[in-house]
Amino acid sequence: GDSVTQMEGPVTLSEEAFLTINCTYTATGYPSLFWYVQYPGEGLQLLLKATKADDKGSNKGFEATYRKETTSFHLEKGSVQVSDSAVYFCALGGSNYKLTFGKGTLLTVNP
Amino acid sequence: DTAVSQTPKYLVTQMGNDKSIKCEQNLGHDTMYWYKQDSKKFLKIMFSYNNKELIINETVPNRFSPKSPDKAHLNLHINSLELGDSAVYFCASSLPTGQNTEAFFGQGTRLTVV
Repeated sequence: GDSVTQMEGPVTLSEEAFLTINCTYTATGYPSLFWYVQYPGEGLQLLLKATKADDKGSNKGFEATYRKETTSFHLEKGSVQVSDSAVYFCALGGSNYKLTFGKGTLLTVNP
Repeated sequence: DTAVSQTPKYLVTQMGNDKSIKCEQNLGHDTMYWYKQDSKKFLKIMFSYNNKELIINETVPNRFSPKSPDKAHLNLHINSLELGDSAVYFCASSLPTGQNTEAFFGQGTRLTVV
């Protein structure tokens, strides 16, 4: 079945540091890939998505590229801010009416 | 306007009680979901409905019964609550995932069973 393996946290960075959160997946067919963010006490919000191989999703300075050859969708940001502190989830959307999530990565950015 | 709203936001109840969580979406989506998030933030799908029809039931105990009176609503009723049911429950909606679209989530209901 579909699965998502995500870099385990927690990740602690200083402001303006470079961020990478690794995500790899296993799926049949041609899934869509997503990154969701959950700020403390809130629900999940879509951060970015990619629907086919070599697509790059981007939003708020975050980027991720759908790499079919390595089955990966790593999240990157060049310069993190304190306000980026949150839990980040990689997710896969197949054709079976559900999203499959990774275990989440807690990011803490210190001033 | 809140796209996916669920009530209540917090629910504290005693073991053995029966409780319901309501969810409504105003996005015109056909597919709705319930997810459970445990204390380690792990998200697991419980149910998926498409056009009021149950599509996915991920080995959830039958104390949990979803009800979809129409496409815009998916309520979750839980009988005989147990300590292990304590978690945050998220409702979500989307177009059918065959169209490769994202899910929109509610704010969550934090259920605490004491």
